[in-house]
Amino acid sequence: DAGVTQSPTHLIKTRGQQVTLRCSPKSGHDTVSWYQQALGQGPQFIFQYYEEEERQRGNFPDRFSGHQFPNYSSELNVNALLLGDSALYLCASSHPQIYNEQFFGPGTRLTVL
Amino acid sequence: QKEVEQNSGPLSVPEGAIASLNCTYSDRGSQSFFWYRQYSGKSPELIMSIYSNGDKEDGRFTAQLNKASQYVSLLIRDSQPSDSATYLCAVKGRGSTLGRLYFGRGTQLTVWP
Repeated sequence: DAGVTQSPTHLIKTRGQQVTLRCSPKSGHDTVSWYQQALGQGPQFIFQYYEEEERQRGNFPDRFSGHQFPNYSSELNVNALLLGDSALYLCASSHPQIYNEQFFGPGTRLTVL
Repeated sequence: QKEVEQNSGPLSVPEGAIASLNCTYSDRGSQSFFWYRQYSGKSPELIMSIYSNGDKEDGRFTAQLNKASQYVSLLIRDSQPSDSATYLCAVKGRGSTLGRLYFGRGTQLTVWP
């Protein structure tokens, strides 16, 4: 049973560029949440997708956007990258009936130079 | 703004000892609580969830919840060097923030042989 997968593993970008990160949820899961984890901090909620719609959003600017596809996979897009966007980006998926538990993928380490 | 507070540590215990990790949260109405383990450079791994007051045991791990005191803890019995990691406490949102997890900064645990 494949767990949550994310790509790419690592990414280096320069300020002002745009980036797209991808996530495939665990088999049987239909809800995908994205988190940003800065060094030494706990993960911070960016947004959550369910049935191809953004269901909730955290305190992140509009430069952060996302999408969910019919197969439940998801993308996170960040425009106009800032140095402060350097972080580990985590995708978590959850089961429709076991909604409370969220399982994380391996993450994408983004470095903005 | 919901807050989750953890002792930042680091916490250092000898092999075979009991490690005690603590977490407090600000939203009195919170219902769902989680402990994640995060090894250095890796993503968080769900190790325990707890929803009712009292203790919940899973192998060497025991989660304890006291909603009246807004306190949740994790005990690790017979600690092993492989338990050395950062432990993240997470609280699930409710109402308008249902579905998102609020994380503490984590407690770094070192188990020395």
